[in-house]
Amino acid sequence: ILNVEQSPQSLHVQEGDSTNFTCSFPSSNFYALHWYRWETAKSPKALFVMTLNGDEKKKGRISATLNTKEGYSYLYIKGSQPEDSATYLCAFMRATNKLIFGTGTLLAVQP
Amino acid sequence: DAGVTQSPTHLIKTRGQHVTLRCSPISGHKSVSWYQQVLGQGPQFIFQYYEKEERGRGNFPDRFSARQFPNYSSELNVNALLLGDSALYLCASSSPNRGWNTEAFFGQGTRLTVV
Repeated sequence: ILNVEQSPQSLHVQEGDSTNFTCSFPSSNFYALHWYRWETAKSPKALFVMTLNGDEKKKGRISATLNTKEGYSYLYIKGSQPEDSATYLCAFMRATNKLIFGTGTLLAVQP
Repeated sequence: DAGVTQSPTHLIKTRGQHVTLRCSPISGHKSVSWYQQVLGQGPQFIFQYYEKEERGRGNFPDRFSARQFPNYSSELNVNALLLGDSALYLCASSSPNRGWNTEAFFGQGTRLTVV
């Protein structure tokens, strides 16, 4: 059984705060790690697809790191804004090509 | 360019009935996957199709089936509906031409309620 764990389950922060979430996944037979952002009433949108140990990716105020040997990835948001409020999902991919999702971290940013 | 489209957006069915959900991928995408998301959980993989062939199946009973058409659109069928099939069903398309580790593009989902 493959488990992808995300923490925390939910997070409430003030506008301007920086925050980070954790995604833990099996370290064997790794192929890729995806991060998605899912706003209410919309479809999940890809933030990053990471494949190499030590990968660091950045998009604006959001960045992510990957450690495939120990099986974790961090997502960082610098200076959170109300429009960052969403559920952040990570998904692990093995060579079978299916995505195995965590339960997500719900972020609420208060103005 | 249109994104991934799913129909219908909402559906209410009675236990024991059958349901068909539809998905049109992004133009040029030949891979379509289906996921079930139950409240409080992450999306669970159901099927993946590529070039009209099943490439993967998740841990779902045989009541769940799918197919992909020559235009790469896809249908998910669920027979003998149970209350526990109530969920959001997501379709995702991708373009494996650049490798299987590319991002998936999701539709907005079909909300199925079984009563």
